[in-house]
Amino acid sequence: DIVMTQSPDTLAVSLGERATISCRSSQSIFHSSNNKNFLVWYQQKPGQPPKVLIYWASTRGSGVPDRFSGSGSGTDFTLTISSLQAEDVAVYYCQQFYSAPRTFGGGTKVEIK
Amino acid sequence: QVQLVQSGAEVKKPGASAKVSCKVPGYSLTEVSMHWVRQVPGKGLEWMGGFDPEHGKTIFAQKFQDRLTVTADTSIDTAYMELSSLTFDDTAVYYCTTNYDFLTGYYLGWFDPWGQGTLLTVSS
Repeated sequence: DIVMTQSPDTLAVSLGERATISCRSSQSIFHSSNNKNFLVWYQQKPGQPPKVLIYWASTRGSGVPDRFSGSGSGTDFTLTISSLQAEDVAVYYCQQFYSAPRTFGGGTKVEIK
Repeated sequence: QVQLVQSGAEVKKPGASAKVSCKVPGYSLTEVSMHWVRQVPGKGLEWMGGFDPEHGKTIFAQKFQDRLTVTADTSIDTAYMELSSLTFDDTAVYYCTTNYDFLTGYYLGWFDPWGQGTLLTVSS
């Protein structure tokens, strides 16, 4: 199974500041068939199901504000919130869809400092 | 927007089984690849199992292989997840979700949309 490791577990950032979350996979999730990384980022707010933020590691989902961006390739990925807003308080998860079983990172809780 | 509608909260005793349903109003389940993900309170997301269209069968996470059953009643467009031999550790919110794109008919890698979640509490 591919193990997804996120860091940090918790991140406290001031409003308007940048938040950066790391996700590492235990093996490469880049597929040469389409030159894409098989990684998705979700945002989960309390009491709600997860919502897709970024797929293919760097493509924003429908309606996702452009302050959210994804980068990285192979085994190392980053989710960046360029200017944290109050409504961004949530837990963020990465997940690989390169192979079964689909595995999630442990999550990063983003709070306001 | 496609919605997945799950059954309500349940309380079960240890050793019992629980069955959670997930309906996709307005769509046929014959092609939808339904997956199940659970979340223990305060913890992360855990994929349990789902239909793999590439291999034409349902696949399971190893830890659930012996006690998880995933079925579907296509006549009422409802998917089911049944977990047997419940223990206190199975107390969690259970989500149905899919990687089937209802607009294009293609299978995506990521899960979207998700059901609202069903809280299963195992208590004596």
